[in-house]
Amino acid sequence: GENVEQHPSTLSVQEGDSAVIKCTYSDSASNYFPWYKQELGKGPQLIIDIRSNVGEKKDQRIAVTLNKTAKHFSLHITETQPEDSAVYFCAASTFNKFYFGSGTKLNVKP
Amino acid sequence: DAGVIQSPRHEVTEMGQEVTLRCKPISGHDYLFWYRQTMMRGLELLIYFNNNVPIDDSGMPEDRFSAKMPNASFSTLKIQPSEPRDSAVYFCASTERGRAKNEQFFGPGTRLTVL
Repeated sequence: GENVEQHPSTLSVQEGDSAVIKCTYSDSASNYFPWYKQELGKGPQLIIDIRSNVGEKKDQRIAVTLNKTAKHFSLHITETQPEDSAVYFCAASTFNKFYFGSGTKLNVKP
Repeated sequence: DAGVIQSPRHEVTEMGQEVTLRCKPISGHDYLFWYRQTMMRGLELLIYFNNNVPIDDSGMPEDRFSAKMPNASFSTLKIQPSEPRDSAVYFCASTERGRAKNEQFFGPGTRLTVL
């Protein structure tokens, strides 16, 4: 089955700095890569996603890049704000099964 | 739409008791997923349904766990008997086949504590 590894497990940045979270996957059949944000006491919420036929996607301060050859994808958050503090999960998906990374706890210091 | 609804939000029970978690997916969604989240194992898919039929239950940890979906608007996850190692947050998620995004919408979760 698919194996998704996510790094780092914790990330602390100063407000206004950028944050980068990286994930690798093992199954070349994976074709959909969502990123979820989970705030304390809530369920994960989709923030951005990318399909395997696209190399990069951007939505305001958030961007995701995908390298199919190397089987890795990354989340980039620019101009971080305290409300970006949360746990972020990457996932790789084939058909309807999502395989999640272990999560990155992002702390944005004001 | 109210989103995915789960109940109860918190459940505390004693070892050996039966626990039933409930989920109402988003109306019109034909896929429903049950996940378990723990610090040690992260987010794990337990089982998923399509049109109320269980498709893949390979993530269900053992026979003490069972899930049903009697209709399109309701699903249950039952643990019988419960054990302390079942303590976790259980999430239900739903999606609609054919959505361009394949996005899964998660409920708020049920925090289960087995003493």
